[in-house]
Amino acid sequence: AQSVTQPDIHITVSEGASLELRCNYSYGATPYLFWYVQSPGQGLQLLLKYFSGDTLVQGIKGFEAEFKRSQSSFNLTKPSAHMSDAAEYFCAVGGWHNDMRFGAGTRLTVKP
Amino acid sequence: NAGVTQTPKFRILKIGQSMTLQCTQDMNHNYMYWYRQDPGMGLKLIYYSVGAGITDKGEVPNGYNVSRSTTEDFPLRLELAAPSQTSVYFCASSLRTENTEAFFGQGTRLTVV
Repeated sequence: AQSVTQPDIHITVSEGASLELRCNYSYGATPYLFWYVQSPGQGLQLLLKYFSGDTLVQGIKGFEAEFKRSQSSFNLTKPSAHMSDAAEYFCAVGGWHNDMRFGAGTRLTVKP
Repeated sequence: NAGVTQTPKFRILKIGQSMTLQCTQDMNHNYMYWYRQDPGMGLKLIYYSVGAGITDKGEVPNGYNVSRSTTEDFPLRLELAAPSQTSVYFCASSLRTENTEAFFGQGTRLTVV
């Protein structure tokens, strides 16, 4: 069965600094991978997704993620954090929504 | 474009009470889902539907029921509320089940006391 691990429960970065949120997955076949963002009191919004092809995926809001099959990872990065990036981030793996697994989430705090 | 709309946003129930969480989408998506979100646990799938009249259990269906009489609506029913059902509930929909993103509602925060 597939699973997702987000090792960091909480990350704090300074505004303007780079950020990286880690995601490791377990999946028997080629995975479909997603990053979602949840702002306080809101539902989840898709940041980016990987299905196949180029392993470096560009998303919205300046985020990108790299699929590394050898490391079973799909880490989310952004070169320069903004205050508005403060939110909860979820990594998910699966090919079918009824079979999708979400990580426990990483809460990102951005300091002025 | 409203997307996925959930009501209510907040609710407090007493143990043993019942309630229905409403979910409607205006994107003509066939696939709809109910998740619950518990602190430190991510999202768990409760039930899903692949079209009107068709529903199936997800990872954590016990204590819940669903129906799908129309493409737009996918209500979630709690018959005998228990403290373990205290959670944030999200409804979502997607055009297809694979290779596509899900659109989420804003959530319903339910407390059972």
